[in-house]
Amino acid sequence: EADIYQTPRYLVIGTGKKITLECSQTMGHDKMYWYQQDPGMELHLIHYSYGVNSTEKGDLSSESTVSRIRTEHFPLTLESARPSHTSQYLCASAQGAAGANVLTFGAGSRLTVL
Amino acid sequence: QQPVQSPQAVILREGEDAVINCSSSKALYSVHWYRQKHGEAPVFLMILLKGGEQKGHDKISASFNEKKQQSSLYLTASQLSYSGTYFCGTPPSGSARQLTFGSGTQLTVLP
Repeated sequence: EADIYQTPRYLVIGTGKKITLECSQTMGHDKMYWYQQDPGMELHLIHYSYGVNSTEKGDLSSESTVSRIRTEHFPLTLESARPSHTSQYLCASAQGAAGANVLTFGAGSRLTVL
Repeated sequence: QQPVQSPQAVILREGEDAVINCSSSKALYSVHWYRQKHGEAPVFLMILLKGGEQKGHDKISASFNEKKQQSSLYLTASQLSYSGTYFCGTPPSGSARQLTFGSGTQLTVLP
């Protein structure tokens, strides 16, 4: 049974649309992350949060934004989607001391922008 | 700076052994190993927290050489279920609570 949920699993939209990818976890983890991954390629950290009202940008520059108003919820928003945003977005959460966090990943949201 | 993994891909027969390496030009504070099967999310395998540490479960084990700034994942007597992409992840600093992943090693086990 999954403890971290992502919706939608698949989304096809037109250029210029605003989209929000949802991510929720039921484990009470304080740390949450968004990774971007093209098929068969590496995982790029785009956003992370260490707790409520805490968000940071990751290694890969992204036009998306995130918010963390509740511990369990970490949505990602694209104000105006473009074809270059086509990718898979993976949400993860973790608990534990620095360097020892074990990430639990969601099933991912595969976004296609036409 | 992301860790470097080698090889990029490996194909082997069931029952054969494989080694995947993960190295960094900067200090490694800990090393995390994940496996991602095709179309699925990455799944945690193991974490090594200090130099000299070795861990394993089933026939998958790993070592961490802090001085050489590298870690190796050993798959012994590979099974078909071992197929997937293996990623190593490291925190960018000792106090960081996020991981930077390597580019992955695609492992294919054939019958």
